[in-house]
Amino acid sequence: EVHLLESGGGLVQPGGSLTLSCVASGFTFNNYVMTWVRQAPGEGLEWVSSISGDKTYYADSVKGRFTISRDNSKNTLHLQMNSLRAEDTAVYYCAKQLKGSSMDMLFDYWGQGTLVTVSS
Amino acid sequence: EVVLTQSPATLSLSPGEGATLSCRASQSVSRYLAWYQQKPGQAPRLLIYDASNRATGVPARFSGSGSGTDFTLTISSLEPEDFAVYYCQQRMKWPPLTFGGGTKVEIK
Repeated sequence: EVHLLESGGGLVQPGGSLTLSCVASGFTFNNYVMTWVRQAPGEGLEWVSSISGDKTYYADSVKGRFTISRDNSKNTLHLQMNSLRAEDTAVYYCAKQLKGSSMDMLFDYWGQGTLVTVSS
Repeated sequence: EVVLTQSPATLSLSPGEGATLSCRASQSVSRYLAWYQQKPGQAPRLLIYDASNRATGVPARFSGSGSGTDFTLTISSLEPEDFAVYYCQQRMKWPPLTFGGGTKVEIK
Protein backbone atom coordinates (compact mmCIF):
# COMPACT_ATOMS: atom_id res chain seq x y z
CA GLU A 1 0.00 0.00 0.00
CA VAL A 2 1.27 3.46 -0.91
CA HIS A 3 2.05 5.83 1.95
CA LEU A 4 3.41 9.35 1.91
CA LEU A 5 4.33 10.94 5.23
CA GLU A 6 5.34 14.58 5.40
CA SER A 7 7.18 16.19 8.27
CA GLY A 8 9.09 19.34 9.08
CA GLY A 9 6.34 21.93 9.20
CA GLY A 10 6.03 24.47 11.97
CA LEU A 11 6.12 28.12 12.91
CA VAL A 12 8.91 30.20 11.40
CA GLN A 13 9.58 33.92 11.30
CA PRO A 14 9.51 35.87 8.04
CA GLY A 15 12.86 35.52 6.31
CA GLY A 16 13.51 32.20 8.01
CA SER A 17 14.10 28.73 6.61
CA LEU A 18 12.49 25.34 6.94
CA THR A 19 12.98 21.96 5.32
CA LEU A 20 10.08 19.64 4.66
CA SER A 21 10.48 15.92 4.12
CA CYS A 22 8.19 13.29 2.67
CA VAL A 23 8.94 9.61 3.25
CA ALA A 24 7.39 7.31 0.68
CA SER A 25 6.60 3.63 0.80
CA GLY A 26 4.66 1.05 -1.15
CA PHE A 27 5.99 1.88 -4.63
CA THR A 28 9.27 2.13 -6.53
CA PHE A 29 10.10 5.68 -5.49
CA ASN A 30 12.84 6.39 -8.02
CA ASN A 31 10.50 5.60 -10.93
CA TYR A 32 8.09 8.41 -10.12
CA VAL A 33 8.03 12.15 -10.51
CA MET A 34 7.27 13.67 -7.11
CA THR A 35 5.55 16.96 -6.46
CA TRP A 36 4.80 19.45 -3.71
CA VAL A 37 1.40 21.17 -3.70
CA ARG A 38 0.35 23.69 -1.07
CA GLN A 39 -2.92 25.04 0.22
CA ALA A 40 -3.18 28.29 2.14
CA PRO A 41 -5.78 28.32 4.93
CA GLY A 42 -9.24 28.38 3.41
CA GLU A 43 -7.85 28.63 -0.10
CA GLY A 44 -7.39 26.41 -3.13
CA LEU A 45 -4.55 24.22 -4.32
CA GLU A 46 -1.29 25.67 -5.64
CA TRP A 47 1.42 23.67 -7.38
CA VAL A 48 4.82 24.43 -5.87
CA SER A 49 7.49 22.19 -7.35
CA SER A 50 8.17 18.87 -9.05
CA ILE A 51 11.23 16.70 -9.51
CA SER A 52 11.96 14.10 -12.15
CA GLY A 53 15.35 12.50 -11.81
CA ASP A 54 17.62 15.51 -11.65
CA LYS A 55 15.21 17.86 -13.41
CA THR A 56 13.39 20.31 -11.20
CA TYR A 57 10.46 22.63 -11.82
CA TYR A 58 9.17 25.50 -9.71
CA ALA A 59 6.28 27.90 -9.50
CA ASP A 60 7.38 31.49 -10.08
CA SER A 61 6.21 32.37 -6.56
CA VAL A 62 8.91 30.14 -5.02
CA LYS A 63 11.64 30.11 -7.67
CA GLY A 64 14.99 31.10 -6.21
CA ARG A 65 13.78 30.56 -2.64
CA PHE A 66 12.73 26.90 -2.55
CA THR A 67 14.76 23.85 -3.56
CA ILE A 68 13.26 20.45 -4.22
CA SER A 69 15.41 17.35 -3.95
CA ARG A 70 15.09 13.64 -3.47
CA ASP A 71 17.10 10.84 -1.89
CA ASN A 72 16.13 7.69 -3.75
CA SER A 73 18.17 5.54 -1.37
CA LYS A 74 15.91 6.67 1.46
CA ASN A 75 12.67 7.03 -0.53
CA THR A 76 12.50 10.61 0.65
CA LEU A 77 11.48 13.87 -0.98
CA HIS A 78 12.62 17.21 0.43
CA LEU A 79 11.65 20.84 0.07
CA GLN A 80 14.17 23.35 1.36
CA MET A 81 12.38 26.66 1.90
CA ASN A 82 14.39 29.86 2.40
CA SER A 83 13.44 33.52 2.72
CA LEU A 84 9.98 32.54 3.86
CA ARG A 85 7.15 35.03 3.59
CA ALA A 86 3.74 35.29 5.22
CA GLU A 87 2.18 34.25 1.93
CA ASP A 88 4.02 30.91 2.11
CA THR A 89 1.79 29.95 5.04
CA ALA A 90 -0.01 26.80 3.93
CA VAL A 91 -0.42 23.09 4.31
CA TYR A 92 2.21 21.45 2.12
CA TYR A 93 1.36 18.15 0.52
CA CYS A 94 3.69 15.78 -1.26
CA ALA A 95 2.08 13.87 -4.09
CA LYS A 96 2.93 10.86 -6.22
CA GLN A 97 2.29 10.70 -9.94
CA LEU A 98 -0.25 8.32 -11.36
CA LYS A 99 2.13 6.59 -13.74
CA GLY A 100 5.79 5.77 -13.31
CA SER A 101 8.48 6.74 -15.79
CA SER A 102 6.35 9.55 -17.18
CA MET A 103 5.50 13.14 -16.50
CA ASP A 104 1.77 12.76 -16.51
CA MET A 105 1.38 15.34 -13.70
CA LEU A 106 -1.64 13.54 -12.28
CA PHE A 107 -1.56 12.79 -8.57
CA ASP A 108 -3.11 9.59 -7.28
CA TYR A 109 -1.62 9.54 -3.78
CA TRP A 110 -1.08 12.45 -1.43
CA GLY A 111 0.37 12.74 2.02
CA GLN A 112 -1.66 14.10 4.92
CA GLY A 113 0.11 17.43 4.66
CA THR A 114 2.32 19.45 6.98
CA LEU A 115 1.45 22.97 8.08
CA VAL A 116 3.94 25.77 7.61
CA THR A 117 3.13 29.03 9.37
CA VAL A 118 5.23 32.10 8.62
CA SER A 119 4.62 34.74 11.25
CA SER A 120 6.46 36.95 13.68
CA GLU B 1 -0.08 30.43 -17.67
CA VAL B 2 -3.35 28.57 -18.15
CA VAL B 3 -6.01 30.02 -15.87
CA LEU B 4 -8.82 27.68 -14.85
CA THR B 5 -12.11 29.24 -13.79
CA GLN B 6 -14.60 27.06 -11.94
CA SER B 7 -18.28 27.75 -11.56
CA PRO B 8 -20.31 28.04 -9.56
CA ALA B 9 -18.25 28.74 -6.48
CA THR B 10 -20.86 27.00 -4.35
CA LEU B 11 -23.56 24.52 -5.28
CA SER B 12 -26.30 23.85 -2.72
CA LEU B 13 -28.05 20.56 -3.38
CA SER B 14 -29.82 17.75 -1.60
CA PRO B 15 -28.74 14.11 -1.50
CA GLY B 16 -30.08 12.29 -4.52
CA GLU B 17 -29.93 15.34 -6.75
CA GLY B 18 -27.57 15.64 -9.68
CA ALA B 19 -24.66 18.08 -9.75
CA THR B 20 -23.01 19.79 -12.70
CA LEU B 21 -19.69 21.55 -12.13
CA SER B 22 -17.92 23.64 -14.74
CA CYS B 23 -14.26 24.37 -15.42
CA ARG B 24 -13.22 26.80 -18.13
CA ALA B 25 -9.62 27.19 -19.33
CA SER B 26 -8.14 30.46 -20.57
CA GLN B 27 -6.67 28.56 -23.54
CA SER B 28 -7.07 25.11 -24.97
CA VAL B 29 -5.82 22.26 -22.80
CA SER B 30 -7.03 19.61 -25.26
CA ARG B 31 -8.36 16.85 -22.97
CA TYR B 32 -5.61 17.18 -20.34
CA LEU B 33 -7.98 18.15 -17.57
CA ALA B 34 -8.38 16.37 -14.24
CA TRP B 35 -10.81 16.66 -11.35
CA TYR B 36 -10.05 16.19 -7.66
CA GLN B 37 -12.32 15.94 -4.64
CA GLN B 38 -11.27 17.32 -1.28
CA LYS B 39 -13.07 16.86 2.01
CA PRO B 40 -12.34 18.98 5.11
CA GLY B 41 -9.06 18.06 6.75
CA GLN B 42 -8.17 15.61 4.00
CA ALA B 43 -5.83 15.58 1.05
CA PRO B 44 -7.30 15.81 -2.44
CA ARG B 45 -8.41 12.65 -4.21
CA LEU B 46 -8.06 12.12 -7.96
CA LEU B 47 -11.48 11.47 -9.51
CA ILE B 48 -11.21 12.04 -13.26
CA TYR B 49 -8.24 12.45 -15.60
CA ASP B 50 -7.95 13.32 -19.27
CA ALA B 51 -11.40 14.85 -19.13
CA SER B 52 -13.41 11.66 -18.86
CA ASN B 53 -11.39 8.78 -17.41
CA ARG B 54 -12.37 7.71 -13.91
CA ALA B 55 -9.50 6.99 -11.58
CA THR B 56 -9.29 3.65 -9.83
CA GLY B 57 -12.08 3.09 -7.36
CA VAL B 58 -14.14 6.13 -8.33
CA PRO B 59 -17.88 5.38 -8.46
CA ALA B 60 -19.67 5.45 -11.78
CA ARG B 61 -21.91 8.30 -10.63
CA PHE B 62 -18.95 10.59 -11.32
CA SER B 63 -18.39 11.44 -14.96
CA GLY B 64 -16.39 14.03 -16.84
CA SER B 65 -16.73 15.56 -20.26
CA GLY B 66 -15.36 18.32 -22.43
CA SER B 67 -12.34 19.30 -24.46
CA GLY B 68 -10.47 22.42 -25.43
CA THR B 69 -11.55 25.08 -22.96
CA ASP B 70 -14.83 23.86 -21.48
CA PHE B 71 -15.17 20.93 -19.13
CA THR B 72 -17.86 19.49 -16.90
CA LEU B 73 -17.87 17.19 -13.91
CA THR B 74 -21.23 15.52 -13.37
CA ILE B 75 -22.37 13.68 -10.28
CA SER B 76 -25.49 11.81 -11.29
CA SER B 77 -27.04 11.40 -7.84
CA LEU B 78 -25.36 12.90 -4.81
CA GLU B 79 -24.48 10.61 -1.95
CA PRO B 80 -23.82 12.06 1.53
CA GLU B 81 -20.08 11.47 1.09
CA ASP B 82 -19.98 13.55 -2.11
CA PHE B 83 -20.41 16.87 -0.34
CA ALA B 84 -16.94 18.34 -0.67
CA VAL B 85 -14.86 20.79 -2.68
CA TYR B 86 -13.95 19.89 -6.24
CA TYR B 87 -10.94 21.22 -8.12
CA CYS B 88 -9.99 20.99 -11.76
CA GLN B 89 -6.33 20.83 -12.85
CA GLN B 90 -4.69 21.11 -16.25
CA ARG B 91 -1.50 19.38 -17.35
CA MET B 92 -1.39 20.50 -20.96
CA LYS B 93 0.93 23.46 -20.50
CA TRP B 94 3.23 23.54 -17.54
CA PRO B 95 5.09 24.83 -15.67
CA PRO B 96 3.14 26.13 -14.03
CA LEU B 97 0.72 23.33 -13.35
CA THR B 98 -2.55 25.08 -12.49
CA PHE B 99 -5.69 24.34 -10.52
CA GLY B 100 -9.07 25.98 -10.59
CA GLY B 101 -10.36 27.88 -7.58
CA GLY B 102 -12.73 25.10 -6.59
CA THR B 103 -16.46 24.47 -6.37
CA LYS B 104 -17.95 23.63 -3.00
CA VAL B 105 -20.87 21.23 -3.13
CA GLU B 106 -22.81 21.72 0.07
CA ILE B 107 -25.94 20.21 1.54
CA LYS B 108 -29.03 22.30 0.96
